[in-house]
Amino acid sequence: EIVMTQSPATLSVSPGERATLSCRASQSVSSNLAWYQQKPGQAPRLLIYGASTRATGIPARFSGSGSGTEFTLTISSLQSEDFAVYYCQQYNYWPLTFGGGTKVEIK
Amino acid sequence: QVQLVQSGAEVKKPGASVKVSCKASGYTFTTYGISWVRQAPGQALEWMGWISAYNGNTNYAQKLQDRVTMTTDTSTTTAYMELRGLRSDDTAVYYCARDFYCSSTRCAFDIWGQGTMVTVSP
Repeated sequence: EIVMTQSPATLSVSPGERATLSCRASQSVSSNLAWYQQKPGQAPRLLIYGASTRATGIPARFSGSGSGTEFTLTISSLQSEDFAVYYCQQYNYWPLTFGGGTKVEIK
Repeated sequence: QVQLVQSGAEVKKPGASVKVSCKASGYTFTTYGISWVRQAPGQALEWMGWISAYNGNTNYAQKLQDRVTMTTDTSTTTAYMELRGLRSDDTAVYYCARDFYCSSTRCAFDIWGQGTMVTVSP
């Protein structure tokens, strides 16, 4: 099973600042990596797929990069609605696996 | 619009079974697979398994494969997840999610159901 490790567990950021979230895979997953945003009481929302492609309707301030085992989600200028938990997911191998999440909170 | 609508919350005793439904609308049901993902309170997302709505093929997480069955009914465009032998650590919100961007049959998910809370309590 591919283990996905996200860091940090919690990120404290002021509105307008940049946030950088990391996701590491225990072995290469090529570019088969997605990022999701989840707010309390809501289902996850797809942000990024193929490691770097924004899903429909996702603002340009969200960007993804990386391949192989190291991936990054960057939020260029945090808006109030961006404070949430973010998960990465690999879909290169069965079983599909998620990271433990990074909570982005207001500093 | 494309949506997945799940059945309502359930409370079950340990050892019982639960069957959660996921009604799809707004797209051709048999074109996309469905995964089930659960989330225990305050915990991360956990993938449970996948079913092809085209031919019924399945792939289950190894830790659950003795207790879980996923099915679809193409006549009603509904997917089902049944979990047997419920334990307290099965208490979670259960989500269905539609395949979107894939590597073979392994996919990221673009549409999610609203979630179904399953509580296992004596």
